[in-house]
Amino acid sequence: QQQVKQSPQSLIVQKGGISIINCAYENTAFDYFPWYQQFPGKGPALLIAIRPDVSEKKEGRFTISFNKSAKQFSLHIMDSQPGDSATYFCAARISGAGSYQLTFGKGTKLSVIP
Amino acid sequence: DTEVTQTPKHLVMGMTNKKSLKCEQHMGHRAMYWYKQKAKKPPELMFVYSYEKLSINESVPSRFSPECPNSSLLNLHLHALQPEDSALYLCASSQHRNNEQFFGPGTRLTVL
Repeated sequence: QQQVKQSPQSLIVQKGGISIINCAYENTAFDYFPWYQQFPGKGPALLIAIRPDVSEKKEGRFTISFNKSAKQFSLHIMDSQPGDSATYFCAARISGAGSYQLTFGKGTKLSVIP
Repeated sequence: DTEVTQTPKHLVMGMTNKKSLKCEQHMGHRAMYWYKQKAKKPPELMFVYSYEKLSINESVPSRFSPECPNSSLLNLHLHALQPEDSALYLCASSQHRNNEQFFGPGTRLTVL
């Protein structure tokens, strides 16, 4: 019940295309859903995050779509660029007193080809 | 200063060595974390410090020993490691435990 399932494991997209990564969870107590971007040899960087009181959040070319009833959320990268090639992790956390732990998906390796 | 720094970037050690990893942040964050990340896997939480006190130890072997000397510094002391401990060790910090976590670049550790 603590798992976050992420798909696909790897993704190849043409430059200018849309990259879509999906995550699903079971625990309805999760109420904070961040996405992290990680380049090889670097630490994960917080990209964008959403709480379940909104269905969509957009920051530049990155959009999170959230479907509370389906317990799914996804990351859309519009106009994908070669510089977006990285591993993306979705995560989930329960807020409130004592919370600390991010439950990560297994990651998606995105390759954007020219 | 809006980043988490980690030293060294790379570390190679033998199984009998003692070494330390260092993490520093000057964002006024009061929660700091150590994670371990194996290749092609997500980060795994090891330790959480909140207000310089160890609040979470995720059943990590005693050959890993964390230390938080002050609110800006976090160390991870290593002793008698095994080759399977080779990984990227990430430090993170957040305003408090309930806030966004910001990761450092990591230390790539190789145990021979």
